[in-house]
Amino acid sequence: QKEVEQNSGPLSVPEGAIASLNCTYSDRVSQSFFWYRQYSGKSPELIMSIYSNGDKEDGRFTAQLNKASQYVSLLIRDSQPSDSATYLCAVPLAAGNNRKLIWGLGTSLAVNP
Amino acid sequence: EAQVTQNPRYLITVTGKKLTVTCSQNMNHEYMSWYRQDPGLGLRQIYYSMNVEVTDKGDVPEGYKVSRKEKRNFPLILESPSPNQTSLYFCASSFRFVRGSGQQASTDTQYFGPGTRLTVL
Repeated sequence: QKEVEQNSGPLSVPEGAIASLNCTYSDRVSQSFFWYRQYSGKSPELIMSIYSNGDKEDGRFTAQLNKASQYVSLLIRDSQPSDSATYLCAVPLAAGNNRKLIWGLGTSLAVNP
Repeated sequence: EAQVTQNPRYLITVTGKKLTVTCSQNMNHEYMSWYRQDPGLGLRQIYYSMNVEVTDKGDVPEGYKVSRKEKRNFPLILESPSPNQTSLYFCASSFRFVRGSGQQASTDTQYFGPGTRLTVL
């Protein structure tokens, strides 16, 4: 059973700080990794994707991938109260004709003003 | 505006009363999928469809049916709802993954509908 694991949190950070969210996965052949943000009662929305080892930056967000350690993280710089949400890590799994996402349970982030 | 729509957004029903949750996308996506989300269990795939008239079971298909008669629509049918189907349901769509063509069209970037909160009494 392929798995994606995240700390459930809640992770609480003060406004302006760096929030660090972590995700580990069990499938060694995974090639792409995704971070989705989900506000309470809303649908998930893609915020970052990463395919290569190293860092990928997009505005205040940085995704970090280490395939050897099967570890992907998301850093949010200058955290804002509007960043308060659950962050879901997702890893694609090819299963027959289905290429579906395996989802972590998410990390709840609270940014305190 | 590119979007995935679902209806109804909220529904309270009783055990055994057939219901349909509609899903429609306007992005010409081949791949569509239904998920349910429950506390502590995360997002679990119910059914998926690779294209018109092509559907298959996901991880938790029991008690659900789907159809894909048109590319844009992918309704979820509960023939005889039970209380354990009380959940938050999401429809999602994306382009179909294509291997080796140079075209980076993937099922991975999924676009979600707004969700349907279903309560079965």
